Amino acid sequence: QIQLVQSGPELKKPGESVKISCKASGYTFTDYAMHWVKQVPGKGLKWMGWINTYTGKPTYADDFKGRFVFSLEASASTANLQISNLKNEDTANVFCARSSYYSSPGMDYWGQGVMVTVSS
Amino acid sequence: DIQMTQSPASLSASLGETVTIECRASEDIYSNLAWYQQKPGNSPQLLIYDANSLADGVPSRFSGSGSGTQYSLKINSLQSEDVASYFCQQYNNYPFTFGSGTKLEIK
Repeated sequence: QIQLVQSGPELKKPGESVKISCKASGYTFTDYAMHWVKQVPGKGLKWMGWINTYTGKPTYADDFKGRFVFSLEASASTANLQISNLKNEDTANVFCARSSYYSSPGMDYWGQGVMVTVSS
Repeated sequence: DIQMTQSPASLSASLGETVTIECRASEDIYSNLAWYQQKPGNSPQLLIYDANSLADGVPSRFSGSGSGTQYSLKINSLQSEDVASYFCQQYNNYPFTFGSGTKLEIK
């Protein structure tokens, strides 16, 4: 069955870095885009951007340019998100989600989310 | 960026009722709209894509409609398992943007 399994919760201090992974299984990894979505607990959803799993090209929303890097380990069907110089406002649940290149880009499978907590 | 204005922010309805959630885009999004359901503690789940197409495995009591800048999600015969937050999302332009969400409760 199709699954996106993300890495575990992270507790970091301001200024540190974190790398979150999203391992896909049950489908051909390079046939679907991978998106990243941020949710502050109790709040709404914010699209961070996406990565083309075939070419490796990332696209970032404006609020996520600079400190955020999307990358792939395609041989391991894994997408990664690295956040550097962490700030308190990065505290959030971060989801990966896939969408088709060939039909609607609605995100049809989501990871379970990774809670990133930034606190001194 | 395209702003998605979703209403109401919260909704309380009885079992078996029909409820409607609205989403208005700040410009024409040409039906490039999805609806998601998020139950407490869970990841969002795709309900509707392309404004009115039901995602795989989603019960037929959910339906989507609309065009241009105005869209709606209708839930017929409300069930207890429909307690959740619902979000619209446009994918006509980057950045993709979500509505602020509607929290649905049972009376």
